[in-house]
Amino acid sequence: GNSVTQMEGPVTLSEEAFLTINCTYTATGYPSLFWYVQYPGEGLQLLLKATKADDKGSNKGFEATYRKETTSFHLEKGSVQVSDSAVYFCALSRNRDDKIIFGKGTRLHILP
Amino acid sequence: DTEVTQTPKHLVMGMTNKKSLKCEQHMGHRAMYWYKQKAKKPPELMFVYSYEKLSINESVPSRFSPECPNSSLLNLHLHALQPEDSALYLCASSRGETGNQPQHFGDGTRLSIL
Repeated sequence: GNSVTQMEGPVTLSEEAFLTINCTYTATGYPSLFWYVQYPGEGLQLLLKATKADDKGSNKGFEATYRKETTSFHLEKGSVQVSDSAVYFCALSRNRDDKIIFGKGTRLHILP
Repeated sequence: DTEVTQTPKHLVMGMTNKKSLKCEQHMGHRAMYWYKQKAKKPPELMFVYSYEKLSINESVPSRFSPECPNSSLLNLHLHALQPEDSALYLCASSRGETGNQPQHFGDGTRLSIL
């Protein structure tokens, strides 16, 4: 079946550190891939997306590249800020399908 | 500011009460969704409406009753809920023509069942 696996948290980093949150997926066909972020007390916000192999999604200094050969979509940021503290969800959706399949989420804490 | 508006933000109700959660979007999206999210967990899909018709029901108990009065509004009617139904209820919408369209989420209603 279709699934998303992301690294367990919490992840704690100091401000200005480099961030990587690993995400791998299992899916039939060619899914679209997403990273969503959830700040405390809020709903989920789309952070970035990629719809085909080798696409790079980017937003707010975050990047992720759709790697079909390794079935991965790792999230990276070169220099994190305290305001990046949140829960990050990797997700996929299959084309012609209204469902999104979420990973379990990774909680990120950034220390000043 | 979120483009999907949910009301109320917080709701406390007893197990015998009847209440409704409301969701509104004005982005012209044709698909709307209800999710349930427990603490430290990802959202769990409950219902999907496509063109105002229920297209997916993820085996949700009948004490949850969705309604889509028009293309901009989505309600979730609650009756005889259990304490384990306490959670954050999220509404989302998407253009939905293909699966590569992202979903836009509201900030949710935090529901507590006494």
